[in-house]
Amino acid sequence: GAVVSQHPSWVICKSGTSVKIECRSLDFQATTMFWYRQFPKQSLMLMATSNEGSKATYEQGVEKDKFLINHASLTLSTLTVTSAHPEDSSFYICSARGQQGARLGETQYFGPGTRLLVL
Amino acid sequence: QQPVQSPQAVILREGEDAVINCSSSKALYSVHWYRQKHGEAPVFLMILLKGGEQKGHEKISASFNEKKQQSSLYLTASQLSYSGTYFCGTVVGGSNYKLTFGKGTLLTVNP
Repeated sequence: GAVVSQHPSWVICKSGTSVKIECRSLDFQATTMFWYRQFPKQSLMLMATSNEGSKATYEQGVEKDKFLINHASLTLSTLTVTSAHPEDSSFYICSARGQQGARLGETQYFGPGTRLLVL
Repeated sequence: QQPVQSPQAVILREGEDAVINCSSSKALYSVHWYRQKHGEAPVFLMILLKGGEQKGHEKISASFNEKKQQSSLYLTASQLSYSGTYFCGTVVGGSNYKLTFGKGTLLTVNP
């Protein structure tokens, strides 16, 4: 199967600071990576989609200046939560999809998630 | 558009069967099923593609009715490890790829 790692697994920060979360596909090249946010007992909500080498596409209602996404290579995407506030506290999960048509192309594999707590 | 899952929750005794349903108002390209345990990320179970191709778990099966835009996940002879929240995700046909999740079905398997 395909493995996606995420780092850090949890982070506590003060209000106003920035937090960077890394997402890596370990054994396949991810042409597309996705960032989701999940609040307790709720579903996963897509925040943005990023393709390697191009700007991310944000979902309606997600502030692109607050949630900076960089997809620098086929195995790495980062999400930076800038000027974090308590309402940004959530479970952030990345997901990666391989090349369409390839064996893994139709499936999204999720990382283990990052739990963010902003004080 | 978010797919609709039913039931919202189900409680089973070990060994019993369950069916979880997922429906969409849009024509679907694919349906994806995931299981999430508390505090963990979703784990891929099954993907069903338009045209009938299926890829996934050995002990869990699913169906995809393309005409009705409905999918069902079948959990047979449930085990304690099956407990968790099951999400279906759908990709609408003819559009840019976007996996949209339903609200989830909480499955509890008791001894």
